[in-house]
Amino acid sequence: GIQVEQSPPDLILQEGANSTLRCNFSDSVNNLQWFHQNPWGQLINLFYIPSGTKQNGRLSATTVATERYSLLYISSSQTTDSGVYFCAGGPYNQGGKLIFGQGTELSVKP
Amino acid sequence: GAVVSQHPSWVICKSGTSVKIECRSLDFQATTMFWYRQFPKQSLMLMATSNEGSKATYEQGVEKDKFLINHASLTLSTLTVTSAHPEDSSFYICSALRGGNTGELFFGEGSRLTVL
Repeated sequence: GIQVEQSPPDLILQEGANSTLRCNFSDSVNNLQWFHQNPWGQLINLFYIPSGTKQNGRLSATTVATERYSLLYISSSQTTDSGVYFCAGGPYNQGGKLIFGQGTELSVKP
Repeated sequence: GAVVSQHPSWVICKSGTSVKIECRSLDFQATTMFWYRQFPKQSLMLMATSNEGSKATYEQGVEKDKFLINHASLTLSTLTVTSAHPEDSSFYICSALRGGNTGELFFGEGSRLTVL
């Protein structure tokens, strides 16, 4: 099956810093999403981005489908950005399910 | 974004009992829902695909008789953990697919199960 590799596994930032999280896929995916898991476990949808670039406030994401990777950019980080960021991809012809990476645990210090 | 509601948020039960978790898509119809399981400090592992009106499809290694899934309507899927044991203690999260096979998944709040 598809393997999803995220890097880095952990990241500590000073408030105001920028960061880039990466997600590599072992095979092409049908759909691709980025999530933020808050301390209570809720998964917050950040981007649905099978290809191209999207921006939402301080966050943006780029997926290069032909090279099987996606990047999540966080600019001017805030303490509320802390938590675990997951990327997930859906194998073709498998009904929309997502396979998750191991996550990047981000800690933003004041 | 779409809203998916999961209930209960947390449950504590005795070993040997069964626990039912509900997952509802509140503002869209979901032909397909998915159940995931997450252990502390780990990623989400897909357990099964729940299809409205048909049997669920389980991932390899997931016991279908232990984890009963029913998708009786386009807005409700349930997961029943039967004869629960302490090793079943985990965080269970459902998701609903909006927009077909290339659509976007939206997740419930999760249910934390503790089996004593």
